[in-house]
Amino acid sequence: GAVVSQHPSRVICKSGTSVKIECRSLDFQATTMFWYRQFPKQSLMLMATSNEGSKATYEQGVEKDKFLINHASLTLSTLTVTSAHPEDSSFYICSAKKHTGQGDGYTFGSGTRLTVV
Amino acid sequence: GQNIDQPTEMTATEGAIVQINCTYQTSGFNGLFWYQQHAGEAPTFLSYNVLDGLEEKGRFSSFLSRSKGYSYLLLKELQMKDSASYLCAVLEDYKLSFGAGTTVTVRA
Repeated sequence: GAVVSQHPSRVICKSGTSVKIECRSLDFQATTMFWYRQFPKQSLMLMATSNEGSKATYEQGVEKDKFLINHASLTLSTLTVTSAHPEDSSFYICSAKKHTGQGDGYTFGSGTRLTVV
Repeated sequence: GQNIDQPTEMTATEGAIVQINCTYQTSGFNGLFWYQQHAGEAPTFLSYNVLDGLEEKGRFSSFLSRSKGYSYLLLKELQMKDSASYLCAVLEDYKLSFGAGTTVTVRA
């Protein structure tokens, strides 16, 4: 099966600092990864699409300078929340797409609970 | 863009059947997914439909009508552990867009 590892699972940081979240595909190569944000009792909102070896594509309303995405290899994408503020506190989830996958080819990481104090 | 609508909450009794409807509007369609999500956890895959009709997987079935922009997820023989949020997601090009989710509460 396809396994996606996301780290850390929980992080608390001070306002103004930066936090890096890692998303790894463990047993397959992921040319494309996705980053979502989920506020309490709301659905997942796509923030950006991360493509290996090229710049990420951000959804409308998502600040690319604040949410830095790097997809340097076929198994790793990172999301860095820069100058975090309390309103950035949320559940961040990554998803990786298998190269030839449809259906269950979209696999989610376990999520990162970010709390900015 | 796409509008994905599903009911906010549903309650059912253990052993019963519940049907969660999802309607969508999209300019491009490459499939529809259903995911289960427990609070504080990532979504887990339940089903995928790309052609019209019913897909059955054990206690869970999913139906799709592309002409009507409509899908449903059917949960049979409900168990307490089925209490969760169920997310309808539409694949447009290569991107998944999610509905707000339906919280299902199973009561004894």
